[in-house]
Amino acid sequence: KAGVTQTPRYLIKTRGQQVTLSCSPISGHRSVSWYQQTPGQGLQFLFEYFSETQRNKGNFPGRFSGRQFSNSRSEMNVSTLELGDSALYLCASSSEGQGRNGYTFGSGTRLTVV
Amino acid sequence: AQSVTQPDIHITVSEGASLELRCNYSYGATPYLFWYVQSPGQGLQLLLKYFSGDTLVQGIKGFEAEFKRSQSSFNLRKPSVHWSDAAEYFCAVGHSGYALNFGKGTSLLVTP
Repeated sequence: KAGVTQTPRYLIKTRGQQVTLSCSPISGHRSVSWYQQTPGQGLQFLFEYFSETQRNKGNFPGRFSGRQFSNSRSEMNVSTLELGDSALYLCASSSEGQGRNGYTFGSGTRLTVV
Repeated sequence: AQSVTQPDIHITVSEGASLELRCNYSYGATPYLFWYVQSPGQGLQLLLKYFSGDTLVQGIKGFEAEFKRSQSSFNLRKPSVHWSDAAEYFCAVGHSGYALNFGKGTSLLVTP
């Protein structure tokens, strides 16, 4: 079956703009998590959605938001982009909400803010 | 609070040699434990996971890991490393209802 699909793969934006990233989880997976990966900070948790409800949230400013649709697809939005938002954004899905089965990651969206 | 420590930022091994990557965690109860691998420009691939039962876990690509409760460790091992194993390796800790917490990663270089 198809894996986790993230679009777009690459994105270049200007400071102050906003951006929306998309994630389609594995069919049947109801949990979707988002992570930001940078060389300095490593993998940092943004938020998790389960059955359209945000269940967990990391320590990021309100400029970072997300949502999940009834088909489990998820989007994350970053408003008023800053240079420091340049990162690889990874989406991960899980078959159940407790994470015991592990998470399947997408290939990520590489965001560059100039 | 949960924390995950991977003490080695970089490790270099010769092809065919054995490998052990260290992971220590801090958590009040036995968490779910994972090892992921990431090749350049790619997402993370799950190598193996542990949440209960046998403390020696077998994964894909010939990797195994051993959970040691007394040492709060979950070290990853491979008996014989191949050049294609060169990548970044991440240990992660999770628990029911909580997000995965990742270590900083260990970069593996394999020399001929």
